[in-house]
Amino acid sequence: AQTVTQSQPEMSVQEAETVTLSCTYDTSESDYYLFWYKQPPSRQMILVIRQEAYKQQNATENRFSVNFQKAAKSFSLKISDSQLGDAAMYFCAYRSTNYGGSQGNLIFGKGTKLSVKP
Amino acid sequence: NAGVTQTPKFRILKIGQSMTLQCTQDMNHNYMYWYRQDPGMGLKLIYYSVGAGITDKGEVPNGYNVSRSTTEDFPLRLELAAPSQTSVYFCASTGYSNQPQHFGDGTRLSIL
Repeated sequence: AQTVTQSQPEMSVQEAETVTLSCTYDTSESDYYLFWYKQPPSRQMILVIRQEAYKQQNATENRFSVNFQKAAKSFSLKISDSQLGDAAMYFCAYRSTNYGGSQGNLIFGKGTKLSVKP
Repeated sequence: NAGVTQTPKFRILKIGQSMTLQCTQDMNHNYMYWYRQDPGMGLKLIYYSVGAGITDKGEVPNGYNVSRSTTEDFPLRLELAAPSQTSVYFCASTGYSNQPQHFGDGTRLSIL
């Protein structure tokens, strides 16, 4: 079974600075998807960025980028020019491309709480 | 475009009561999911559905039931509520299993 580990329960960053959130995962599959979701206090689950494992190029979305290391099974999220609105819980999630079993469901890490200091 | 709508947003139940959490989506998505989020944890899959009339268990199905009579609706039923079911419940949907999931705003359920 696949697992997702986020080893940083809490992180803090100064406004306008850069922060990196860590995520590792365990799988025997060669093709899969990885996601970062943001959950602000409103508890909405907001997709930040996604990465297909077959793509070597790291995904970017504006100030958000990932460092995807497939061999190391690592998927970190970098937030540049941090803003107060970035304060939230961030969840790393894995999804299999395997059509057997739970089809398309997400496997989540426990999350990292990010604080942004003005 | 409303996306995924969950009702109610908040509910308190007494031990042993039953209730249904409603989830509806207007995106004609085939795949729908129910997750629960316990404090300090990520989301865990309760049940999922790949289309009308087809449902299956996820990681933590005990104490819950689902049905999928239409593409739009995927209600989650709690029978004989227990304190261990106090959690935030999320419904999600996607058109294809390789597409990102759209989440509802969640239902905070407390069982006392």
